[in-house]
Amino acid sequence: DAGVTQSPTHLIKTRGQQVTLRCSPKSGHDTVSWYQQALGQGPQFIFQYYEEEERQRGNFPDRFSGHQFPNYSSELNVNALLLGDSALYLCASSLGPGGGYNSPLHFGNGTRLTVT
Amino acid sequence: AQKVTQAQTEISVVEKEDVTLDCVYETRDTTYYLFWYKQPPSGELVFLIRRNSFDEQNEISGRYSWNFQKSTSSFNFTITASQVVDSAVYFCALSEAGGGGADGLTFGKGTHLIIQP
Repeated sequence: DAGVTQSPTHLIKTRGQQVTLRCSPKSGHDTVSWYQQALGQGPQFIFQYYEEEERQRGNFPDRFSGHQFPNYSSELNVNALLLGDSALYLCASSLGPGGGYNSPLHFGNGTRLTVT
Repeated sequence: AQKVTQAQTEISVVEKEDVTLDCVYETRDTTYYLFWYKQPPSGELVFLIRRNSFDEQNEISGRYSWNFQKSTSSFNFTITASQVVDSAVYFCALSEAGGGGADGLTFGKGTHLIIQP
C-alpha cells in the first residue's frame, strides 16, 4: 500500500523564480493538504484541496497556489520566490476534507526547497 | 485563534528511562481534536494518535501512553523504557472541528527527543 509520495526530494531555486512541487496521496485518500515547515519550527498549514477545489487556506500570500487533479494528486506552485520560502514542504493526504478529524492526516517525506 | 505550546525544545535521556513530552493547547471551540506526530530525520511526519475533545480516557499503546486533561488543556505523551529508535522530533497538533478545521492542523514547535545509548 503506497503512502504519500512527493517529488522532487530536493530543489534549489533562485530568488524570483517559480517552482512546482508534486504530491500523490495515499491509496484510498481523496484530500490533499500542503504544509510549510521552516527549520526548527512546526509545520504551517498552506491550503487543502478536495474535489479539485481549494477548500481551506492558511495565512499564506497568493504567490502560493495549487491544483488537484481528477486522480487526487496535487501540485503546489510558488511564484516570485523569496529567500524566506526556503523550507521543507510537506504534503498530507486524508479521506475527506477537514483538519484531520474525519481521518488522520498521512504525510509524505517532503520536498526540501532552498532559495538562493 | 488556536495555539499549541510545546515548552520543551529538547530533551535528552539515557536509554530505558521514561520520558514525558508536554503539550498545552488553546482553543475556543468545544469540539476539537488533538494529535501527536513523530518526525524522524527522514522528514516524514508519522501519525501516533488522535484524540477528540469528548474523550478524556488515557490511552496506552505498547510503550507509549497519552494523558489528556481538559481541565489543564494538556495532552502529554509518555514513552516508557525509551529506546534509541525513539529519537526524533515530536509534534503535538490541534484541529478545531467546529469551524470546519478552517486552519488545518495547528502544530506546536516540536520537542527534539534524544535517547542516548
